[in-house]
Amino acid sequence: GESVGLHLPTLSVQEGDNSIINCAYSNSASDYFIWYKQESGKGPQFIIDIRSNMDKRQGQRVTVLLNKTVKHLSLQIAATQPGDSAVYFCAENIGGAQKLVFGQGTRLTINP
Amino acid sequence: DTEVTQTPKHLVMGMTNKKSLKCEQHMGHRAMYWYKQKAKKPPELMFVYSYEKLSINESVPSRFSPECPNSSLLNLHLHALQPEDSALYLCASRFRASDSNEQFFGPGTRLTVL
Repeated sequence: GESVGLHLPTLSVQEGDNSIINCAYSNSASDYFIWYKQESGKGPQFIIDIRSNMDKRQGQRVTVLLNKTVKHLSLQIAATQPGDSAVYFCAENIGGAQKLVFGQGTRLTINP
Repeated sequence: DTEVTQTPKHLVMGMTNKKSLKCEQHMGHRAMYWYKQKAKKPPELMFVYSYEKLSINESVPSRFSPECPNSSLLNLHLHALQPEDSALYLCASRFRASDSNEQFFGPGTRLTVL
């Protein structure tokens, strides 16, 4: 399953399928980008980050892709599990300012 | 100890009350942050402390007053709040202001202003 743009707040996928969560950012000066996962009743949890001079970075079951030409960021989760259910936020760090600006978020729901 | 703790977990206060939120970390992080998160919205940065000094104030109303007594502790003093200030208040920390990208978040304090 795949979310499209910032205006689709919910993504439902079948357990075991791959998920793609998309995010658009606005500031060309952002020097790195982070994906956070927020479960109900908890604070955001770091998943993976990527510097602006990279196109792709892989972690455990997750891959982040960065397209600076169109200012687009995506998070791919392989073999989605029930524990992946959460709201996912992308965030951009405004270069040199220590400021994280969060995107609107996508709620990922896993269907059994 | 690899966590950020926040107290209280929940807080209900009237518009004339004075209360404080507390955040603590023992990871040796020298940058600490306050965020405000409304329901179904992303966290919004309020304040940044770097080496116990306030480095960023995102034009937050003066009824919110941050304080960093030492490198492990961050407070947010609340006075004369409005009902629209009801939200989840998140604290975060990072190793150094210009190092390591990961901010560690606490579970938040859910504030209700009556």
